[in-house]
Amino acid sequence: SQQGEEDPQALSIQEGENATMNCSYKTSINNLQWYRQNSGRGLVHLILIRSNEREKHSGRLRVTLDTSKKSSSLLITASRAADTASYFCAGLHNYGQNFVFGPGTRLSVLP
Amino acid sequence: NAGVTQTPKFQVLKTGQSMTLQCAQDMNHEYMSWYRQDPGMGLRLIHYSVGAGITDQGEVPNGYNVSRSTTEDFPLRLLSAAPSQTSVYFCASSLRQANTGELFFGEGSRLTVL
Repeated sequence: SQQGEEDPQALSIQEGENATMNCSYKTSINNLQWYRQNSGRGLVHLILIRSNEREKHSGRLRVTLDTSKKSSSLLITASRAADTASYFCAGLHNYGQNFVFGPGTRLSVLP
Repeated sequence: NAGVTQTPKFQVLKTGQSMTLQCAQDMNHEYMSWYRQDPGMGLRLIHYSVGAGITDQGEVPNGYNVSRSTTEDFPLRLLSAAPSQTSVYFCASSLRQANTGELFFGEGSRLTVL
């Protein structure tokens, strides 16, 4: 399977702290994306990073990509209770037409 | 904007029954797909389509059929429901331009097979 893996599976932090989630994948990618899923809802796209990029920022989000290690990380700074959700990485693999999702990280931000 | 619309949101079936999950998008996206989400397993691709008249199998296609007669619609058919098909199903679409491919998801359809 080409499926990636997020780490940790679950993360609980206090409001205002930073949250870091990691993603590893098995085959070369064209781009890697992060999605958020609130409980009972569909997934929402957060950020995309291409294989020739190493870091990308969007608001309180910072994503890094290390293609040599086949890994990516998502950092959420100054977390809020509203950030409580599951976060998934998804890779679009070279020559592939489909995204491969990891099992996700459940983030709980406590007020 | 409606985006990606899935119906029904909830459905209970008995083993052996058939049904169709509907998916429609109003963004003129070429690519559409169906995923199932099970606890601890992330999203697994069932079927996908890169344009009207073109469909292909994903990772877990057994027990499901799809068709793509229009750009907007991509229904998923369960031919003879089994308890193993109890899951949450998501339809997603993408514009499919080179090096982008952001997926837009529907709100999901929760299916229980008794």
